[in-house]
Amino acid sequence: QVQLVQSGAEVKRPGASVKVSCKASGYTFTSHDIDWVRQATGQGLEWMGWMNPATGNSDYIQKFQGRITMTRDTSISTAYMELSALTSEDTAVYYCARVVSGSFDYWGQGTLLTVPS
Amino acid sequence: QSALTQPASVSGSPGQAITISCTGTSSDVGGYNYVSWYQQHPGKAPKLMISGVHNRPSGVSNRFSGSKSGNTASLTISGLQAEDEADYYCHSYTGSRPLYVFGTGTKVTVL
Repeated sequence: QVQLVQSGAEVKRPGASVKVSCKASGYTFTSHDIDWVRQATGQGLEWMGWMNPATGNSDYIQKFQGRITMTRDTSISTAYMELSALTSEDTAVYYCARVVSGSFDYWGQGTLLTVPS
Repeated sequence: QSALTQPASVSGSPGQAITISCTGTSSDVGGYNYVSWYQQHPGKAPKLMISGVHNRPSGVSNRFSGSKSGNTASLTISGLQAEDEADYYCHSYTGSRPLYVFGTGTKVTVL
């Protein structure tokens, strides 16, 4: 069965970087985009960007340009999202999701990032 | 690209039907048949309920149905049950940057 398993919760100081992993299993990793979505406490879902595991191509929303990188290691079917220059406003749960025909059909369990102010 | 507009809350009694609207523009909801709906219970990851405007993934109850008219998509939950109490988000492909946009979210309460 398809599964996306994310790395554990993180606590980072302001200005630091975080790298969240998303390990895929149960399907061919390179066949579907992996997107990242975040959700601040009590807030809605915010789409962050996409990555094509086959090519490594990616794109991100404007607000993260310059401080976000989405990469992958196809040998271990794992996608990564690295966010730098963290502030307290980056405190949120980060999700990876598999994309099929424009829908996010499987999601990771979420990774809580806390950046104390 | 602004978030798609959803009502903040919708409520209904057990057994009733409710409908959640999702209003976008001709650049997202109105322009493509790539509208999805997600259910999220507290502390859990979102779950895909409807894809491609009206398609139900395997395992999703047929009490959930989706539709679209112009720039507005809708999710209808019929035969409302206590387990349907959750947050619901719509989602659309845009064909440009940003590639996707979520709705503002709707809290469904079962009275």
